[in-house]
Amino acid sequence: KAGVTQTPRYLIKTRGQQVTLSCSPISGHRSVSWYQQTPGQGLQFLFEYFSETQRNKGNFPGRFSGRQFSNSRSEMNVSTLELGDSALYLCASSWGQGGETFGSGTRLTVV
Amino acid sequence: AQSVTQPDIHITVSEGASLELRCNYSYGATPYLFWYVQSPGQGLQLLLKYFSGDTLVQGIKGFEAEFKRSQSSFNLRKPSVHWSDAAEYFCAVASRNTGNQFYFGTGTSLTVIP
Repeated sequence: KAGVTQTPRYLIKTRGQQVTLSCSPISGHRSVSWYQQTPGQGLQFLFEYFSETQRNKGNFPGRFSGRQFSNSRSEMNVSTLELGDSALYLCASSWGQGGETFGSGTRLTVV
Repeated sequence: AQSVTQPDIHITVSEGASLELRCNYSYGATPYLFWYVQSPGQGLQLLLKYFSGDTLVQGIKGFEAEFKRSQSSFNLRKPSVHWSDAAEYFCAVASRNTGNQFYFGTGTSLTVIP
C-alpha cells in the first residue's frame, strides 16, 4: 500500500512569505501529526489532527497552523516565514497509537 | 516534563560487532516507547515499539530493545551490525492517553566501519 506522501519535497521561500505543505496519509489512517526537524532543536512536535480536529498541539507560535480534511489529508501552513523556520518538516500518520508511519518530509529553506 | 535522553551523540562500530544504543526517559507514567531509524534525507522508519507485556521487544532488521522500568530505560541492541545499519537512531515516547504526540531524543548517529 502507498506510504505517507508529502509534497513538495523541496521548497525555497523568502522571509515574510507564507508556505503551505501537504501530507497524504496512508489510506485508513485518521491521525496525522506534523514535526519539525532541525540540527539545533532536533525533532519537535507541531500538532496532531484526528478526524479533522486538532487533538494535540506542540509549543510553536501561532504562525504555524494546520488543518485536516474529510479524506484525512492534512496541510500545514507557516505564515510570515523566518530564517529559523528552515527545517525538514515531517508528517506522520497512524490508525491508532500503534506507532506512526513517517513520510520523507518537505525540506523548507527560507532565504 | 517529558524528556528523552540519548547520551551517545555518535557511535562507531565495526561491521559484525554488537551494538547497544542507550535511551532514558522521564515521564509521569510508563509511556509507549519507540525506536526509529533515519537515513540521510529520508523520513523515519519504525524499528520497534513497546506498549506492554514482555519487556524484551523484537523489531525489524534484527534489532531488539529491552524496557527496564526501574531504570526508565529502553536500550536498543543488535548482535551483529551490518554496514547498511549506518544511520541516525531516535528513541521516542508517547503518552498512553493523549494521542500521537511523540517526544524524541536528540538521536544517535551510527557509523559502521568495515
